[in-house]
Amino acid sequence: QKEVEQNSGPLSVPEGAIASLNCTYSDRGSQSFFWYRQYSGKSPELIMSIYSNGDKEDGRFTAQLNKASQYVSLLIRDSQPSDSATYLCAALSFYNQGGKLIFGQGTELSVKP
Amino acid sequence: ETGVTQTPRHLVMGMTNKKSLKCEQHLGHNAMYWYKQSAKKPLELMFVYSLEERVENNSVPSRFSPECPNSSHLFLHLHTLQPEDSALYLCASSRIGGENEQFFGPGTRLTVL
Repeated sequence: QKEVEQNSGPLSVPEGAIASLNCTYSDRGSQSFFWYRQYSGKSPELIMSIYSNGDKEDGRFTAQLNKASQYVSLLIRDSQPSDSATYLCAALSFYNQGGKLIFGQGTELSVKP
Repeated sequence: ETGVTQTPRHLVMGMTNKKSLKCEQHLGHNAMYWYKQSAKKPLELMFVYSLEERVENNSVPSRFSPECPNSSHLFLHLHTLQPEDSALYLCASSRIGGENEQFFGPGTRLTVL
């Protein structure tokens, strides 16, 4: 069973701090990884994708990938109350006719003013 | 309309009703997906259509019946549902052969009485 694991949280950080969200995956064949943000009652919104080992930065967000450790993380710098949401990690697994995303259960982030 | 749209946004139905959920994507994608999201559980992939052909069915009960008439439209036909089928049903789309970034619609909140 291919799985993606995340701490469910809640993770609470003060406004302006760095929030660090972590994810591990079981399928060594996975090549692409994604972070989605989901506000309560809304659908997931893609915020970052990463395909190569190392860091990828986009504004206040940095995604980190370590394929040897099967570990993906998302850093949010200068956290704002509007960042309070559930963050979903997903790994792309391949089967004979294409790829499908395997999602973790999500980490709830709370940014306190 | 832009992105991925879903109708209806909310649906309440009895166990003997028949209803359909509709999804439309305006992104030029060629793969579409149905997901189920229940409280405190990871997103569950239900069906995948690639180039209008169903390529994945994650052992979904037959009371859920998908239909993909073309690459822009996806339906989920519902009949004789159970109360435990109450959940948020999400549609997503992606481009085959790329990074498989999936974009979600707003979802249909389904309640089965």
